[in-house]
Amino acid sequence: EVQLLESGGDLVQPGGSLRLSCVASGFTFSSYAMNWVRQAPGKGLEWVSGISGSGGHTFYADFVKGRFSLSRDNSKSTLSLQMNSLRAEDTALYYCVKDLRFGVFDHWGQGILVTVSS
Amino acid sequence: QSVLTQPPSVSAAPGQKVTISCSGSSSNIGSNYVSWYRQLPGAAPKLLIYDNDKRPPGTPDRFSGSRSGTSATLGITGLQIGDEAHYYCGTWDTLSAVFGGGTKLTVL
Repeated sequence: EVQLLESGGDLVQPGGSLRLSCVASGFTFSSYAMNWVRQAPGKGLEWVSGISGSGGHTFYADFVKGRFSLSRDNSKSTLSLQMNSLRAEDTALYYCVKDLRFGVFDHWGQGILVTVSS
Repeated sequence: QSVLTQPPSVSAAPGQKVTISCSGSSSNIGSNYVSWYRQLPGAAPKLLIYDNDKRPPGTPDRFSGSRSGTSATLGITGLQIGDEAHYYCGTWDTLSAVFGGGTKLTVL
């Protein structure tokens, strides 16, 4: 059974940093691209970033380029999102999401809350 | 403002059929497969349809998908109370994934 367990969410001040992690199990982690998708309170889904199975290619939504950095450690089946220069509008539930293949999100974690507020 | 356009809400009675539209452009729906996701209240989204019309294991055949040009449609027949949820379309656009704004389905 595929499991995705997020951690690292917290309350942080504007301009601050946070690192989200996702530990995966139940599949061959290195064979699949992984993503973060977020959902602001009461709002819709918003793709944040994706990374290829090897980690050699990363993709970012325009609104996080230069602020967020996505990486993976295939030896530990772990996905990490480093978030810097956080803004109030980054407040959301962040989901760790596995790709069936690029753009098809077949397994989602339960989400981790990031709150950016002073 | 989402890249893909969905109606904010649809409703129908139990047992009836409903369709949810998803409108995009040549750079997204027009040139990439479409997926649909269902999000029950308080839960994470779940893949419902992928590659325009394919159902992953566990998706009942009451759910169907189609794509034509730059639009896609999700169809649900035999509506059940448990189908009340938000439904999102999604696809790829240039170098990013995009979603519709979501449609809240109410089963009256």
